[in-house]
Order: sequence, then structure tokens, then C-alpha cells
Amino acid sequence: DTEVTQTPKHLVMGMTNKKSLKCEQHMGHRAMYWYKQKAKKPPELMFVYSYEKLSINESVPSRFSPECPNSSLLNLHLHALQPEDSALYLCASSSRGGTVMNTEAFFGQGTRLTVV
Amino acid sequence: SQQGEEDPQALSIQEGENATMNCSYKTSINNLQWYRQNSGRGLVHLILIRSNEREKHSGRLRVTLDTSKKSSSLLITASRAADTASYFCATDGSGGSYIPTFGRGTSLIVHP
Repeated sequence: DTEVTQTPKHLVMGMTNKKSLKCEQHMGHRAMYWYKQKAKKPPELMFVYSYEKLSINESVPSRFSPECPNSSLLNLHLHALQPEDSALYLCASSSRGGTVMNTEAFFGQGTRLTVV
Repeated sequence: SQQGEEDPQALSIQEGENATMNCSYKTSINNLQWYRQNSGRGLVHLILIRSNEREKHSGRLRVTLDTSKKSSSLLITASRAADTASYFCATDGSGGSYIPTFGRGTSLIVHP
């Protein structure tokens, strides 16, 4: 199984809503990532979890709250988002060899988020 | 922060032609990867090339890496309409960081 599964595929939420994005992989990868991608732009890193611990937060606003309940799951909790947060949110995972990524990152299909 | 810069930003060719995309980066790397993205969906990994490799092939794909020029190229031979997608290079960042950092991408359109 070389899949990263993201749910939901599409999400429309109001600015006062609370919602969660979910990501799951069963490849035994110990590094998992959240990226945000706006139209016609490259993916931008948001968070990195390494061995279920948050290792990198790229100065992401607190209205985005990541969570890694176990080595296979990664969540992104959303609260009080703004319309400019509308984007494609991508989850990825990779195995790690020490501090060097010597294998590919596997990406999910993304969640298309619209904030109204 | 972005490290790679793809060139050209957009490329339009006819089916059967070859497509070449270039990627330049700023700092030293351990490896460089190329990804494809169809219609704003997930990224699909194409090839990983390590810093001690100069060329790698996978089917119709050929990737080169020139660490002295801090550049890489992706060649797609005998292109097909199904190759229409955005192509991104991703480096692993400087200082041993293992996190994929993406360039701005090349949008490829292959006309049937």
C-alpha cells in the first residue's frame, strides 16, 4: 500500500466553523507533512511531524492546529479561518534515514478547502 | 521558502515532441526530485536523483543534475496528451534538511 489518503476531498466552511482535515498512511513512514497550495503556485510547507512529534511549524497562524494521534494519522484542525485560507491542502509522508531524506515523498490527493 | 526555480513557467508542444524543463536551486542539496501534478490534485513522484548522480532514466523520462551549476533538467520524450500537467522540482533543502521544498513549477500542455 503506497497510498496517502486524505479526507474530505472537498470542504466548504464558514469563518466561524470548526472542521478537521484527515490524512492516513500505512507505509510505516515516520515523517508526515502538511502543505498548502494556492492556484498556480507551488506547495508551501506548513507543518512537519517526525516520529509523531511536531518538528517544524512554518509560522502558520494558530487558526490551523495540527495533530498526530499516531504514526499513521495526521489531522489538521481548522477554526475561524479567513477566505484567503481557501486553498488545496496536501498531506505527504516519507521515510527517513537519519536527517537526510533519501526516499520520495508520497502525497495524498488533497482537500480542496473553500472558506466562505 | 522556495529554493528551486523552474524554467520555462509554461510550455506548449504537440504530441510526439520532446519536452524539456529546467530547475535551478540556490543552496547545496542531498537529492532533487521531480513531481507531476494534474489539475490541482496530489503530486505524483517521478524521479529522485542524488547529488552524486548525474543522470537518471525512468521510461520516457530523463533527469540530469549538474551540482556545479546547481541545476537539473527533466526531459519527457515522445510526449503524449496525458503528460499535460504541472511539473515541480523539489530539493531537500540545505543543511541536511529532509523536507521537500518546491520550485514554482512548469505548466506543460501537450496538444493531441
